[in-house]
Amino acid sequence: QQQVKQSPQSLIVQKGGISIINCAYENTAFDYFPWYQQFPGKGPALLIAIRPDVSEKKEGRFTISFNKSAKQFSLHIMDSQPGDSATYFCAASIRTGTASKLTFGTGTRLQVTL
Amino acid sequence: DAGVIQSPRHEVTEMGQEVTLRCKPISGHNSLFWYRQTMMRGLELLIYFNNNVPIDDSGMPEDRFSAKMPNASFSTLKIQPSEPRDSAVYFCASSFHSGNTIYFGEGSWLTVV
Repeated sequence: QQQVKQSPQSLIVQKGGISIINCAYENTAFDYFPWYQQFPGKGPALLIAIRPDVSEKKEGRFTISFNKSAKQFSLHIMDSQPGDSATYFCAASIRTGTASKLTFGTGTRLQVTL
Repeated sequence: DAGVIQSPRHEVTEMGQEVTLRCKPISGHNSLFWYRQTMMRGLELLIYFNNNVPIDDSGMPEDRFSAKMPNASFSTLKIQPSEPRDSAVYFCASSFHSGNTIYFGEGSWLTVV
């Protein structure tokens, strides 16, 4: 059962444009929603994260928008740059009492063209 | 900090052979995770440990897979016998028990022929 659905699977954006990646979740017990960025040959790395008590979080060119009632959240990359070309994963986690267990979306391969 | 260290980075093995992947978590982290990444299934959590104790191994696909964490600075994921469908990138990750941020290693690229 896929608990976090991510779209689109791939995305091509021109330099300077806005990249938007969407995720939807099913389990209302999720309490932490991170986005991870993965470059080829590397492991995923935390990019930005949000908790469900806020609707938006911005860090530089990266913004998470969160809609708790719709159980959706999205990543916006403003002024997209070729260096942003990577695979992006949304994720969600529940504190289990011992550790946070992340469930990942299927990933979006972003290509930023010149 | 050196980050999560995995070995080997690349392994090619023949079907039926035993494969052992190794991980050294970030010093001080007390939660450790093994993930598998494939094109078809994305990132799947196989097992995670807290304070060296396996907490949830529901993601381990078959009995051919086993994982151990004998101490706070070392974990292994073993596949015996290996099969071609086990070909994937295996990531180890670690975090603080009370933290949410999970730090990934660079992965072990396994090819079973």
